[in-house]
Amino acid sequence: DTGVSQDPRHKITKRGQNVTFRCDPISEHNRLYWYRQTLGQGPEFLTYFQNEAQLEKSRLLSDRFSAERPKGSFSTLEIQRTEQGDSAMYLCAILGGRVSGDTQYFGPGTRLTVL
Amino acid sequence: AQSVTQPDIHITVSEGASLELRCNYSYGATPYLFWYVQSPGQGLQLLLKYFSGDTLVQGIKGFEAEFKRSQSSFNLRKPSVHWSDAAEYFCAVGYSSASKIIFGSGTRLSIRP
Repeated sequence: DTGVSQDPRHKITKRGQNVTFRCDPISEHNRLYWYRQTLGQGPEFLTYFQNEAQLEKSRLLSDRFSAERPKGSFSTLEIQRTEQGDSAMYLCAILGGRVSGDTQYFGPGTRLTVL
Repeated sequence: AQSVTQPDIHITVSEGASLELRCNYSYGATPYLFWYVQSPGQGLQLLLKYFSGDTLVQGIKGFEAEFKRSQSSFNLRKPSVHWSDAAEYFCAVGYSSASKIIFGSGTRLSIRP
């Protein structure tokens, strides 16, 4: 248990639909990250938050993607007008956990399939 | 720009044999280095990390890694593998402990009975 839950765990949608994923750290963590992992690849950084502020966005995060962390606790990642290329595992991570405060701990991920 | 290369896509070793997974990184300053493991259907789990100090770091599950600045490498080792070690292993680099992490493409480890 890394202290990060993600919902849903699996999402199947049709091309063109909007989807939203949620990441919930079980306790307060200043930094929260989103990564995307496609099949056979390592995770790729998308964006991260320091409390409510979104401090960095990857060029992978097109204008169809938006992430929020309204109260500095949970975060949401929304994809508008999904495309088949968006099919991937979306991972949330927090900085710090039960063992070490200077390490990123990952949630179980949300697997998105776009038909 | 930072990058990580894991030259071995897939490795198969016999149970009880030793293991070494290779990792090379590209980064101008002293990197923050990580090894994560991902089992089927499981999330990413941190095996070990190197930030500074002793270049030989010990991790969980009997793994260790050695930072070699001259070779820009951070290879992962285990003296005797167990069937439960079968998984995908990712080497990663960051420019600080809190920065984004750049991952390699991973090495899939299979264990031969």
